Amino acid sequence: AQRVTQPEKLLSVFKGAPVELKCNYSYSGSPELFWYVQYSRQRLQLLLRHISRESIKGFTADLNKGETSFHLKKPFAQEEDSAMYYCAPHRPMFSGGYNKLIFGAGTRLAVHP
Amino acid sequence: DTEVTQTPKHLVMGMTNKKSLKCEQHMGHRAMYWYKQKAKKPPELMFVYSYEKLSINESVPSRFSPECPNSSLLNLHLHALQPEDSALYLCASSQGSRNILGYTFGSGTRLTVV
Repeated sequence: AQRVTQPEKLLSVFKGAPVELKCNYSYSGSPELFWYVQYSRQRLQLLLRHISRESIKGFTADLNKGETSFHLKKPFAQEEDSAMYYCAPHRPMFSGGYNKLIFGAGTRLAVHP
Repeated sequence: DTEVTQTPKHLVMGMTNKKSLKCEQHMGHRAMYWYKQKAKKPPELMFVYSYEKLSINESVPSRFSPECPNSSLLNLHLHALQPEDSALYLCASSQGSRNILGYTFGSGTRLTVV
């Protein structure tokens, strides 16, 4: 079955500590992978996409095809990073070529002072 | 304009009412989406429109009826809803069917069915 797994519901760290939010996927083919973030009372917004290999707000994510993982990392967490983070693969839809963005269950990151 | 705008922000409706949610974008995106998000849960896909045509319906009950009048607008018509339909309804858009740049989300309409 095609699915995405975020094993941790809550990740609680202190300011300045490293952070790793885990994401594993099982999809046939090569899905496009994204991380979305939802800060309190704000809209869901794109954080990272694997195709860009970028660093946003100090976060990076490496696609590991062997382990089928796309973990989100930041070396030094800040209080303003506290939010809900969703790993989201694009499921290729071969019929008509339409993609579907499906969200993992999400991990709440709480960064304490 | 780089935003997706949803109206209203809040809506309370009775189970016999008919109401509509509206979504608008002016980024030239050709794909638009409706998601439903219950409290402390991830968004769940409901409908996908591509080039103003409905391409995906995720087995959504018929009391939800989407409409895409043009490439900038997306509506969700609601009729005879149940209390369990209370949720945050999110609209999103993307450049096209094969989207590699990600989706842009609106801030949502918080719907309460009484």
